Parts: sequence; C-alpha cells; structure tokens
Amino acid sequence: NAGVTQTPKFRVLKTGQSMTLLCAQDMNHEYMYWYRQDPGMGLRLIHYSVGEGTTAKGEVPDGYNVSRLKKQNFLLGLESAAPSQTSVYFCASSYGAGGLYEQYFGPGTRLTVT
Amino acid sequence: AQSVSQHNHHVILSEAASLELGCNYSYGGTVNLFWYVQYPGQHLQLLLKYFSGDPLVKGIKGFEAEFIKSKFSFNLRKPSVQWSDTAEYFCAVKSDKLIFGTGTRLQVFP
Repeated sequence: NAGVTQTPKFRVLKTGQSMTLLCAQDMNHEYMYWYRQDPGMGLRLIHYSVGEGTTAKGEVPDGYNVSRLKKQNFLLGLESAAPSQTSVYFCASSYGAGGLYEQYFGPGTRLTVT
Repeated sequence: AQSVSQHNHHVILSEAASLELGCNYSYGGTVNLFWYVQYPGQHLQLLLKYFSGDPLVKGIKGFEAEFIKSKFSFNLRKPSVQWSDTAEYFCAVKSDKLIFGTGTRLQVFP
C-alpha cells in the first residue's frame, strides 16, 4: 500500500495563478481531508469529504475549492492564488469519522505564492 | 467551540531527560484525544490515542499520555528522550471534527 500520496511536492505560484493539488489514497477510505499547516497555528481543516461525490467546508475554506469525483482521489483547487495561501498542505484520509478511526496523512505539498 | 492548547511551543532537552508536553482542551462533551508526531521533513504519524477505558495510554516509541478529565488535559510523557525524538508534536481533539493544537517543537541534543 502506498497509503496517502500527494502531488506535487513543491510548487511556486505567482499571485492570481491557479493550480490543483491531487491527493490519492489506496486504503478504500470513505473520508478525506485537506489541511493547511502554518507556523504557530498547527493544522487547520480547509475542506473534507465524507464519501465519493460529497464535500464540506472546514475551518478555513475561503479561496479553495475541492472535488471528490472518485473515492480514492480528493482534489484541492486554488482559483486565484494569494500570498496568504503560502503554506504546507496536507491531505489525510480515514475509514470513518468516529474517534476510533485514525487519520492517515500524506507527505505534504509546500506551496509558495509570490 | 472546541479548542486545543499546547502551552509549550519549543522545548529543548538533553538525551535521557524526561519529557512532558502539555495539552488542554475545551469541550464539555465526549472527546477522543490524539497525539501526532511530525519528524523533520515527514508527514504526521499517530503516536497514541485515547477514546475510552484506562486513562493512561501507551503509544509507540515509549511515549505515553494521561487523560485527566477533571483538568481537560491529555499530557504526553516519555521518561527518557533520545536524539531521534526531535520532532514537532501535535495534540488533537475530536468530537465532530478533529481539531489540532499549535504544536510543540522538541529538540533533543546528544
């Protein structure tokens, strides 16, 4: 099992450009999540999905869109990147939503917006 | 709204020293509690979790944590740290969503 993979690993964007981050998991997990990690702020939930075809807003959804067309993939889009979106983005997945279900994290994508 | 506080932002220890990292949360209902570790350049990994039963939870690599409900705390401990424990440690609390603390950076020197 590859677990949770993310592409790309690094990206530099200019303000106003768009991009899509791809998350893939091979564990047949129903739930998938996108977080951003900023110094001194821990991880904050951007969007999440409770199953194929569903998405929901997390704590900091503004400026991002997501799609879950296939169960194994969860895409995070930035339509018009801003310097405030410079961050490390982590994808995670879990089998269920309850506390028994551990979230498995991907290796992260470091995004810089200039 | 639930929140998680980690009061130690940066901890520096020598090898073999004992470690205790604080974690407090605010939520009155039933919660599940987690500690995650992020080694330099790597993704988050689960150290240990509590969801019910014995409030003293043992995790990987010699770590343990104690859930004290009356204090809304879930502190992480290790009796003797190693250089390889250098990492960032995140406490997380889950009721309907998983909320992370801001993290504690631990540096262990030989």
